[in-house]
Amino acid sequence: EAGVAQSPRYKIIEKRQSVAFWCNPISGHATLYWYQQILGQGPKLLIQFQNNGVVDDSQLPKDRFSAERLKGVDSTLKIQPAKLEDSAVYLCASSLVFTPYGYTFGSGTRLTVV
Amino acid sequence: ELKVEQNPLFLSMQEGKNYTIYCNYSTTSDRLYWYRQDPGKSLESLFVLLSNGAVKQEGRLMASLDTKARLSTLHITAAVHDLSATYFCAVDTGNQFYFGTGTSLTVIP
Repeated sequence: EAGVAQSPRYKIIEKRQSVAFWCNPISGHATLYWYQQILGQGPKLLIQFQNNGVVDDSQLPKDRFSAERLKGVDSTLKIQPAKLEDSAVYLCASSLVFTPYGYTFGSGTRLTVV
Repeated sequence: ELKVEQNPLFLSMQEGKNYTIYCNYSTTSDRLYWYRQDPGKSLESLFVLLSNGAVKQEGRLMASLDTKARLSTLHITAAVHDLSATYFCAVDTGNQFYFGTGTSLTVIP
């Protein structure tokens, strides 16, 4: 099966600019997650969708981050305006709704804010 | 706040040696996962541990789970260079995964 697709792979922007990341999960996976992984740390959940509804966005900095999954398939994560501390890898993952078998992660987007 | 702590954070070991990575967590959970991450790559699932006493083995790696102690271990037997990577444990609370801090493993020839 095809994996979780993410684009772009790399992005360099200046602070205060805007950026958007795209994720296409594995076909049939109702649950989609966006994680932020700062260098040297474990991934931290930003937002979780089930189909096109938000399950958990408690750790999403809503003043600058937004995410949507309008048709319950692919998703976009946006940062506006970006700060230096947003430099990180943004990982998308997907899973079946009720599965004990964990998530499948995409290759990630490495964001550098200068 | 749930804490997932791994130790050591950094591990340098010689080929052929054995070592154990520890993952302690602060909440009740019956599900724990181990992932591997190579530099610049995404996370690759290694083990899924779904009950107390679960033990899984794949090649030179063996993972176990003690839910009463809130502890999981990843044991490396006769390490080889190809095992060099960062290893993460992740605790499933039923609502979301919480990842550990990661253990950066370097196997030296």
